[in-house]
Amino acid sequence: DTAVSQTPKYLVTQMGNDKSIKCEQNLGHDTMYWYKQDSKKFLKIMFSYNNKELIINETVPNRFSPKSPDKAHLNLHINSLELGDSAVYFCASSQGRTSAYEQYFGPGTRLTVT
Amino acid sequence: AQSVTQLGSHVSVSEGALVLLRCNYSSSVPPYLFWYVQYPNQGLQLLLKYTSAATLVKGINGFEAEFKKSETSFHLTKPSAHMSDAAEYFCAVSVRGNEKLTFGTGTRLTIIP
Repeated sequence: DTAVSQTPKYLVTQMGNDKSIKCEQNLGHDTMYWYKQDSKKFLKIMFSYNNKELIINETVPNRFSPKSPDKAHLNLHINSLELGDSAVYFCASSQGRTSAYEQYFGPGTRLTVT
Repeated sequence: AQSVTQLGSHVSVSEGALVLLRCNYSSSVPPYLFWYVQYPNQGLQLLLKYTSAATLVKGINGFEAEFKKSETSFHLTKPSAHMSDAAEYFCAVSVRGNEKLTFGTGTRLTIIP
């Protein structure tokens, strides 16, 4: 069974469109994250939720909106997509909210904006 | 604010040779330190972590790292490289009690047959 899954794996879309990426974890973890990995492999935290509460909200354009319907799911909705949004987006989860806990990553969603 | 610097974006070693990947951190308070590995087209996987117990930390796949406060370093080593070690390696730091991991820019490890 996949611990952290993301859909879709690949997403190709045009500038100006709105898209969503879904993430689910079956580990029973309380905390979930969204990361962005750019073309140079630099990985940066975007958001984190603990038991459906937003606990990390980095400097991210407000076109990005995370939603956590329950603690097993964390979705990312992106409005008005721009070329610079092209990246690999990773979802992760951990047992607790502090960084001492191991984070388990999903396989990533490669977003290409044309 | 905490940060990590990984020296060498690309490292190549021969199969069977020592692997040494360098990581230096900056933190005003005692840090937590991590090494993650990313295989091609996959997510990241934790190799090992330092959270204030023993300074020499052993991880999976034969890797280990030593926390050296005097040098602000947390270098990753493996005595004998295997072809399956070829991947991208990320060092990460956080401040104790903080929720956020800050990653380095990564080091791509290539194994030469």
